[in-house]
Amino acid sequence: ILNVEQSPQSLHVQEGDSTNFTCSFPSSNFYALHWYRWETAKSPEALFVMTLNGDEKKKGRISATLNTKEGYSYLYIKGSQPEDSATYLCAFLKTSYDKVIFGPGTSLSVIP
Amino acid sequence: GAVVSQHPSRVICKSGTSVKIECRSLDFQATTMFWYRQFPKQSLMLMATSNEGSKATYEQGVEKDKFLINHASLTLSTLTVTSAHPEDSSFYICSARDDGSRTGELFFGEGSRLTVL
Repeated sequence: ILNVEQSPQSLHVQEGDSTNFTCSFPSSNFYALHWYRWETAKSPEALFVMTLNGDEKKKGRISATLNTKEGYSYLYIKGSQPEDSATYLCAFLKTSYDKVIFGPGTSLSVIP
Repeated sequence: GAVVSQHPSRVICKSGTSVKIECRSLDFQATTMFWYRQFPKQSLMLMATSNEGSKATYEQGVEKDKFLINHASLTLSTLTVTSAHPEDSSFYICSARDDGSRTGELFFGEGSRLTVL
């Protein structure tokens, strides 16, 4: 059984604060780690696809890092805005055509 | 960007009836699609991997006769909840992998809220 875990489960921050969450996954047989953002009443959307140990990716105020040897990824949001409020999901694949297993998500609320 | 359409978005049915949910990739081909179920306050639980032209691969504990999956074309997968019961009430969401994409991210439908009375 693959365990993909995320912490914290939920987070409330003030507008302008920076924040980060963690995704942990099995460190053996790694192919890719995805991050998705799921806003209420919308479909989950991919933020990052990460495949190499040491990868760092950035999209605007959001960035992510990857450590495949120890099995974790961090997602950072700089200067949180209310529109960042969403559930952030990470997902793990062992091979390129493997099933995609999701973590439980981190629910972020940014208070204006 | 790639679009996946899922419908119906909401369905209410009587116990014992069957409900079909469709998942279509609108602007790309998807040999592989995934069906997930979300229980209240929980994450996405993978039910099955749908493969065009072959049988779906079901996760442990998911009844294949209960949740029939058909992936008849490169743009359409359907999930049929057969003889639905109240415990099948849930949020079901599909996702598709673009055959032409090297990055492999998933594109999701809007989800379907099933309520079985």
